[in-house]
Amino acid sequence: AQSVSQHNHHVILSEAASLELGCNYSYGGTVNLFWYVQYPGQHLQLLLKYFSGDPLVKGIKGFEAEFIKSKFSFNLRKPSVQWSDTAEYFCAVLLKNTGGFKTIFGAGTRLFVKA
Amino acid sequence: EAGVTQSPTHLIKTRGQQATLRCSPISGHTSVYWYQQALGLGLQFLLWYDEGEERNRGNFPPRFSGRQFPNYSSELNVNALELEDSALYLCASSPSATSGGGDTQYFGPGTRLTVL
Repeated sequence: AQSVSQHNHHVILSEAASLELGCNYSYGGTVNLFWYVQYPGQHLQLLLKYFSGDPLVKGIKGFEAEFIKSKFSFNLRKPSVQWSDTAEYFCAVLLKNTGGFKTIFGAGTRLFVKA
Repeated sequence: EAGVTQSPTHLIKTRGQQATLRCSPISGHTSVYWYQQALGLGLQFLLWYDEGEERNRGNFPPRFSGRQFPNYSSELNVNALELEDSALYLCASSPSATSGGGDTQYFGPGTRLTVL
């Protein structure tokens, strides 16, 4: 069955620490990949996306993610986190097949950054 | 430009009742998606409407249903409510997914449904 796994449910970091959130998916076909973020009290919003081309994509607020097709992974990274990065992060995979499209979200990772 | 709007913000129902949730997409968007965000379970895909038709549905029982109106707004109906239906229901919209696919989804604030 198609699925998206986010390895860490809760992450606590100090400011200036480096961040890497794991995301793996199980699907052998064509995918588009997304990271969404939900800041406290706000809507889900797009952080970055990968459709094709350079597998290293850069998003807002200094975030980047690398698509490694052979590992079915799309890990999110940031070299130095800030207190304002405290939020819940969701990896999402849009699957394309003959039946149409389907987006599957991971369970989310709650990041808390200590000031 | 107005974002995705959802109503009501909160909805309290009792077991066995029906709930109706509404969503208005961003102007120009024809695709509407519904998700259930239950505590600790992430977002579970419920339904996708595009150009007035149901294009796909997730692994939810038939008592979860919906429709899309000619103005592309959408309704989600949940019949015979059960306690475990308590969750945040999110609506998202995108430009027509059938004309290319892969478009970013823009989310609304959600409707918090509580079933007592």
